Amino acid sequence: GNSVTQMEGPVTLSEEAFLTINCTYTATGYPSLFWYVQYPGEGLQLLLKATKADDKGSNKGFEATYRKETTSFHLEKGSVQVSDSAVYFCALSFQTGANNLFFGTGTRLTVIP
Amino acid sequence: DAGVTQSPTHLIKTRGQHVTLRCSPISGHKSVSWYQQVLGQGPQFIFQYYEKEERGRGNFPDRFSARQFPNYSSELNVNALLLGDSALYLCASRDAGGNEQYFGPGTRLTVT
Repeated sequence: GNSVTQMEGPVTLSEEAFLTINCTYTATGYPSLFWYVQYPGEGLQLLLKATKADDKGSNKGFEATYRKETTSFHLEKGSVQVSDSAVYFCALSFQTGANNLFFGTGTRLTVIP
Repeated sequence: DAGVTQSPTHLIKTRGQHVTLRCSPISGHKSVSWYQQVLGQGPQFIFQYYEKEERGRGNFPDRFSARQFPNYSSELNVNALLLGDSALYLCASRDAGGNEQYFGPGTRLTVT
């Protein structure tokens, strides 16, 4: 089956610290991979994506590389800010069929000044 | 351009009642998907509609149904509400050529 496993939270970091949130996946095929972010009281926003092996998605200082050999898509940021506090979801989908997203359980990040 | 819009924002219902949630996709997007997000978990896929036809269904009971209208807006209906249906219901739209889904702000349903 298709599934996503995320590093369990919550994660608390000081401002300007380095962030890594681990994500691994199981998929019957070659999925596209995504990171979504959910700020308090809001819906999901696409943060970045990668559609094939070795692609690197990046946005707002965040980046993740599609690693087929380790079935991983870890999210990193070199220097977090208080405004990065949110819940981060790793997800996968396929180009064919319903194209629905399979989400991980989410990782809550809190950045303290 | 407006993003995905959903109504209502919040809703409180009692067990056994019926609820209808509404979604308007981004202009030009013909695909709409519905997800249920229980507190503390990731969203779970419920339905996908494209060109008014159901193209996918997640592992939800028949109490859940949906439809898509000629203007590509969509409704999600849930009958015989249970306490466990309390969740944030998210709608997402996608254009025909892409694999990115754009989410609305969600409808927070509370069943008492």
